[in-house]
Amino acid sequence: DAGVIQSPRHEVTEMGQEVTLRCKPISGHDYLFWYRQTMMRGLELLIYFNNNVPIDDSGMPEDRFSAKMPNASFSTLKIQPSEPRDSAVYFCASSLGMGGHTEAFFGQGTRLTVV
Amino acid sequence: ELKVEQNPLFLSMQEGKNYTIYCNYSTTSDRLYWYRQDPGKSLESLFVLLSNGAVKQEGRLMASLDTKARLSTLHITAAVHDLSATYFCAVDRVRGSQGNLIFGKGTKLSVKP
Repeated sequence: DAGVIQSPRHEVTEMGQEVTLRCKPISGHDYLFWYRQTMMRGLELLIYFNNNVPIDDSGMPEDRFSAKMPNASFSTLKIQPSEPRDSAVYFCASSLGMGGHTEAFFGQGTRLTVV
Repeated sequence: ELKVEQNPLFLSMQEGKNYTIYCNYSTTSDRLYWYRQDPGKSLESLFVLLSNGAVKQEGRLMASLDTKARLSTLHITAAVHDLSATYFCAVDRVRGSQGNLIFGKGTKLSVKP
């Protein structure tokens, strides 16, 4: 498997614009996670899905953020409207699920810059 | 509050030396993960420690877990430049919820000749 695939790798956008980040999890993994990494706050979980259903979105900063998982092989994280403080690296990760002896595998990340 | 604390946060080592990174956590998780991150790159899984007393080794790195003390260590033996990276420990936010992780702030390791 190619691993978790994210696109785009880099995104520069102007404040107020809509941004959509994309993720393809590892085939067969039934959990998908969106994390954000910043210097100030480190790695934070934003939201996660199990079998395409959002389970916990308590980490989503505010209503400007939304995430969907329309099928087992695709998820999006949308920011509308974007603000400079949203600048960060956004990681998608997937795992085989609860109770197994495996870990979460991370994608290459999307570096978002909002100017 | 659920916390994962690593120390040190910055570590400058000479090649050939040994050192230990410590990871304390406040959850009741019996599973702990170590990840490595190179600058501008993703997180690479190094170790998954599944139970009290677990010890795993890969090359010059050895990780251990003491769930009673809520402490994990990552020991570096005879460091080489290629080990320069940031190392994160993480635990399950909820017992058994692999992937739903609380991360430490990371230890930035720099190995100098």
